[in-house]
Amino acid sequence: DTGVSQDPRHKITKRGQNVTFRCDPISEHNRLYWYRQTLGQGPEFLTYFQNEAQLEKSRLLSDRFSAERPKGSFSTLEIQRTEQGDSAMYLCASSLSQTSGGLSYNEQFFGPGTRLTVL
Amino acid sequence: EDQVTQSPEALRLQEGESSSLNCSYTVSGLRGLFWYRQDPGKGPEFLFTLYSAGEEKEKERLKATLTKKESFLHITAPKPEDSATYLCAVPFPYALNFGKGTSLLVTP
Repeated sequence: DTGVSQDPRHKITKRGQNVTFRCDPISEHNRLYWYRQTLGQGPEFLTYFQNEAQLEKSRLLSDRFSAERPKGSFSTLEIQRTEQGDSAMYLCASSLSQTSGGLSYNEQFFGPGTRLTVL
Repeated sequence: EDQVTQSPEALRLQEGESSSLNCSYTVSGLRGLFWYRQDPGKGPEFLFTLYSAGEEKEKERLKATLTKKESFLHITAPKPEDSATYLCAVPFPYALNFGKGTSLLVTP
């Protein structure tokens, strides 16, 4: 399977604990994105990397959240001191940036997500 | 701020009953409009990207169209397996700004 993979698929934790999620993008993709999705809403952008550089962070990404993408390959998203409001599906997506005929193509392909429940 | 609004929020169709989902957007300098399908508990599955007004793309029973202010996802003769949430999104400029989606239920 050459799609985006995420681990774990489900995580249950107690309030105040730290959690870390991993995302493995499609191998040739240079861009990697993290989104969060709650019930009845579309995914909301958290942060994005081009290769190993973190280029953009949403204001949703509080200082309890940190993301890394060492060597431009897999990425991790860590949440410290979890709160019940952090309960959500965390989605990772990747894309290959390419330009043709003046258009920038950026189709993003999503992983299966990590469902976080904070008790 | 860029806005993406989808309607209706929910749609129930009988098998074979064609319909359309709407995605309206307010974006300065559109860099593409994306359609995804999402099944419960799974990540969004890429369907289409449209880049310019008048463009159309088709896949099986789905056809996406784009104007300067909105996009439509037409579903022709749907089957129960088309039941899912359909999401549209616009880039700003690289990450995607999603609408809330349309939840489609197709009954036999």
